[in-house]
Amino acid sequence: DAGVTQSPTHLIKTRGQQVTLRCSPKSGHDTVSWYQQALGQGPQFIFQYYEEEERQRGNFPDRFSGHQFPNYSSELNVNALLLGDSALYLCASRRDRGQETQYFGPGTRLLVL
Amino acid sequence: SQQGEEDPQALSIQEGENATMNCSYKTSINNLQWYRQNSGRGLVHLILIRSNEREKHSGRLRVTLDTSKKSSSLLITASRAADTASYFCAAPSGAGSYQLTFGKGTKLSVIP
Repeated sequence: DAGVTQSPTHLIKTRGQQVTLRCSPKSGHDTVSWYQQALGQGPQFIFQYYEEEERQRGNFPDRFSGHQFPNYSSELNVNALLLGDSALYLCASRRDRGQETQYFGPGTRLLVL
Repeated sequence: SQQGEEDPQALSIQEGENATMNCSYKTSINNLQWYRQNSGRGLVHLILIRSNEREKHSGRLRVTLDTSKKSSSLLITASRAADTASYFCAAPSGAGSYQLTFGKGTKLSVIP
């Protein structure tokens, strides 16, 4: 049973560019959340997707957008990259009903130069 | 804003010793969760304690919850070098409690 997978593992971009990160949830999970973790900090909630809709959003600008596909996989898009967007981006999944534990993927490390 | 705040920020112990990490939170919670993170990789869920529970065990882990003090502690007994990692507490927050709000974590180093 595969866990949460993310791609790519590492990415280098320059300021102003756009990036797309991908996440496949654990089998049987229908809810996907995205988190940003800056160096030395705890993860910060970006948003959560359920039934292909953004259900809740954290304190992140509109440059951060996402999508969930019918197979429950998800993408995180960041436009007009800033140096401060350099971070580890984590995807987490869970079953919406009857499960409170979130299962995290290995993350995508993004470096913006 | 941070829901959980871990203490201490860093902890260094010898293999075989016990490690205790504390977490304080600000608002009422339904549950509190502890996660481990190795070397900036993904988080691994360790244990969840509900607001009506005072103590919970899982292997070498013991978690306590004091809702009156809005605090929790994680005890790792008989530590091993492989326990070296960052440990985070997290609690559901926001409307619908869909998001987890994490503290900054405790960095544990277990010296062989």
